[in-house]
Amino acid sequence: DVKVTQSSRYLVKRTGEKVFLECVQDMDHENMFWYRQDPGLGLRLIYFSYDVKMKEKGDIPEGYSVSREKKERFSLILESASTNQTSMYLCASSPWTSASGELFFGEGSRLTVL
Amino acid sequence: QQQVKQSPQSLIVQKGGIPIINCAYENTAFDYFPWYQQFPGKGPALLIAIRPDVSEKKEGRFTISFNKSAKQFSLHIMDSQPGDSATYFCAASSSGGSEKLVFGKGTKLTVNP
Repeated sequence: DVKVTQSSRYLVKRTGEKVFLECVQDMDHENMFWYRQDPGLGLRLIYFSYDVKMKEKGDIPEGYSVSREKKERFSLILESASTNQTSMYLCASSPWTSASGELFFGEGSRLTVL
Repeated sequence: QQQVKQSPQSLIVQKGGIPIINCAYENTAFDYFPWYQQFPGKGPALLIAIRPDVSEKKEGRFTISFNKSAKQFSLHIMDSQPGDSATYFCAASSSGGSEKLVFGKGTKLTVNP
């Protein structure tokens, strides 16, 4: 089974803190994604990466950055957390060429910024 | 700008009923339309997907109907069960696959026993 692991399920941080959300996948997938999920807003793409050290902005990249130094690991960074970044963050991966177009999601990291 | 409009926001049916969730889009470049299912505390998982060369696709009790001219697609769940209670998201992309999927806002489905 494909496994996408998000290391922190729940985090509580203070405004202005630097926050790292880590994601690891074990299926040698080329593509990795970070989404944000908010009630009534669905899933919104923050950043995605199609190769090591490569990244592309999604729909809501402001206030976030990402790092992909190894193929299996994709990190989301909040340089200075703000209360409006309180949310559920979902990491996902997919192979470069996917007949099904399927995204494999982790279980999410719920971040609260006080 | 919301590119995929999903309705209703929530839906309650009795066991055995046929809930229908609808999605509409504007971007005619979209060529891949998946539905994801999410249970509480879990990440979304692909349920079923369709490409615009067919008008309907069935997998078990789940059916996608696709109307290219109306730019609409819908999910039907036959003989719904309490275990189908979840949040359902429609999505679309123009890459033919998973890259830059645009998701609807989700529908919370409750199937009562």
